[in-house]
Amino acid sequence: AQTVTQSQPEMSVQEAETVTLSCTYDTSESNYYLFWYKQPPSRQMILVIRQEAYKQQNATENRFSVNFQKAAKSFSLKISDSQLGDTAMYFCALGEGAQKLVFGQGTRLTINP
Amino acid sequence: DGGITQSPKYLFRKEGQNVTLSCEQNLNHDAMYWYRQDPGQGLRLIYYSQIVNDFQKGDIAEGYSVSREKKESFPLTVTSAQKNPTAFYLCASSIGGSRMAGELFFGEGSRLTVL
Repeated sequence: AQTVTQSQPEMSVQEAETVTLSCTYDTSESNYYLFWYKQPPSRQMILVIRQEAYKQQNATENRFSVNFQKAAKSFSLKISDSQLGDTAMYFCALGEGAQKLVFGQGTRLTINP
Repeated sequence: DGGITQSPKYLFRKEGQNVTLSCEQNLNHDAMYWYRQDPGQGLRLIYYSQIVNDFQKGDIAEGYSVSREKKESFPLTVTSAQKNPTAFYLCASSIGGSRMAGELFFGEGSRLTVL
């Protein structure tokens, strides 16, 4: 069965710093998607970034980038120049067949002024 | 604006009562999902539906039921058989029509508290 593990329940950094959130996963599939979702205090989950497993190039969206290590089954999220609005729960998710996503336990990130 | 609407946002229930959470989407998505969110456990899949009149159990379906009579709607009933129903419930949808799981679009959630 596919699993997703986020080993950092909470993290806290100062505004403008760079922070990296860790995620490891397990799957027997060779092709799949990986996602990072953000859940701000308002509670609505939104997609931050997506990576397709067959693409070697790491995905980037403005200040957000990933380090995808397929052999190690690792998918970390780097947030550069962190802002107060980045304060949220962050969930790593794995998507393979059957249109289902499996989520990790989440990392609560706090950006301090 | 297109999106997913969940109602009610807050719901209180007495033990032994069934309650139904509403989820409506106007994104024309084929697939819809219900997740349960508990502190420290992330999101766990309750039920999902890839097409109208069809749905499958997720990882924690016991004590829940769903229907998918219309493409736009995927209500979740929390029955009295659910032993620990107090939680935050999230409905989501995706375009569907592909073997590979794609981006999910989420509603704002419904918080159910059993008194």
